[in-house]
Amino acid sequence: SAVISQKPSRDICQRGTSLTIQCQVDSQVTMMFWYRQQPGQSLTLIATANQGSEATYESGFVIDKFPISRPNLTFSTLTVSNMSPEDSSIYLCSVAPWLSRSYGYTFGSGTRLTVV
Amino acid sequence: GENVEQHPSTLSVQEGDSAVIKCTYSDSASNYFPWYKQELGKRPQLIIDIRSNVGEKKDQRIAVTLNKTAKHFSLHITETQPEDSAVYFCAVSEGAQKLVFGQGTRLTINP
Repeated sequence: SAVISQKPSRDICQRGTSLTIQCQVDSQVTMMFWYRQQPGQSLTLIATANQGSEATYESGFVIDKFPISRPNLTFSTLTVSNMSPEDSSIYLCSVAPWLSRSYGYTFGSGTRLTVV
Repeated sequence: GENVEQHPSTLSVQEGDSAVIKCTYSDSASNYFPWYKQELGKRPQLIIDIRSNVGEKKDQRIAVTLNKTAKHFSLHITETQPEDSAVYFCAVSEGAQKLVFGQGTRLTINP
């Protein structure tokens, strides 16, 4: 399965600022996904990062708040913009494999964000 | 869109007993059903998965069963051990598309 390097692993940010999270994959993947996991909760999909086109956002998430880049098949970034304490969560990227018989979605190690 | 319901939200069992967690889903086009284990402060780890052309899959003490007609699938852990204590999530997808997660089950194994 793919190996994902995600950074930063954690950060404490001031409200009103922005943070960009990076995910680097060790192989080409078709689809990358960004999830949010609020404390004690399940994983909620923010958006699907598509290479060569705009990201597809889930209901309740907008591009102005969570801009995403996907410049190639191995890399993506998620920016959390104009942060408020409600954005304090763990953010995870995930990938689906490329044309594999086993879907085997894997996750990055996560970014623990605290907004103060 | 897809809706995944997971039960129970918490489960406590004696060491050595079995644990069963159930999920239902709404989209009949869904064809991939993984289970993830998440320990405190760590990323979700895939523990077992099943595809729609299979009714049951087993890997040592862990098994998953799928009933496509009823749109539900279950995780079975036998001979539970303290290291099985974690939060377990079911998920559903259609092909290699987005995963939709259940709400999670906090499993506690009592010695």
